[in-house]
Amino acid sequence: EDQVTQSPEALRLQEGESSSLNCSYTVSGLRGLFWYRQDPGKGPEFLFTLYSAGEEKEKERLKATLTKKESFLHITAPKPEDSATYLCAGGAGTALIFGKGTTLSVSS
Amino acid sequence: EADIYQTPRYLVIGTGKKITLECSQTMGHDKMYWYQQDPGMELHLIHYSYGVNSTEKGDLSSESTVSRIRTEHFPLTLESARPSHTSQYLCASSDFTALGGGYTFGSGTRLTVV
Repeated sequence: EDQVTQSPEALRLQEGESSSLNCSYTVSGLRGLFWYRQDPGKGPEFLFTLYSAGEEKEKERLKATLTKKESFLHITAPKPEDSATYLCAGGAGTALIFGKGTTLSVSS
Repeated sequence: EADIYQTPRYLVIGTGKKITLECSQTMGHDKMYWYQQDPGMELHLIHYSYGVNSTEKGDLSSESTVSRIRTEHFPLTLESARPSHTSQYLCASSDFTALGGGYTFGSGTRLTVV
C-alpha cells in the first residue's frame, strides 16, 4: 500500500535554530515528491517538487532533498513567519498521496 | 489573476440538508480534485476529474457526488448531510501535462453538520 509518513508531528524551534523535517515514502512508481506549506484556515501552498534521488531545491530558508526512501526539508535560521504545517506528498498515478504533516512553531 | 476559488468558506448546516460546495478555477487546468482534511490527519482524495464529463471516486469512501460540466467548475454535492460529514473540504487543480507544477489548492470549505 502506498504510504507517506512524516516526522516529527510537531516541532518547536527558537528563531535562528536550524532543523530538518523528515518524510519517508513507499509509493510505487513515484514520479515526484512534493512539499507544501499550509497555514491555519488555508489550503496548502506548493513549495517544491523533487524527481530523483540526489536532487535538491532551495527557496529562501528552505532546502528540500530526496533519497530513494526519504525526503528532508531543511530549515536554516528559521523566523516566526516560517511557522506553519509542512506537508509532504508522493505522486505516482491518480493523485497525490499526502502525509499527516509536521507543524512547525518558531518563537522569537 | 489565475486562481482557484471555493465557496462558502464556512458552512454550518442541519442534518439531512442537501448542500453543494463550489469550486472554480481560472487557470484552464484539466485535472481537478476534492480532498477531505481532518485535524492532524492526511488529506484524503474523495473525487477527481481529468476533464469535462470525466469524474471518478477517490480512495476515501464518500457519500458525496461531483460533476464536471465545464472545465473551470467542479462542484461537490452532499444529498443528505450527516454529522460524520463534518470536515474541511479542499479543492485543487493541476495542469494535465505538468506533474512537476504540483497542485493549486483553494482555501477550503469548513463544513459543520449539526
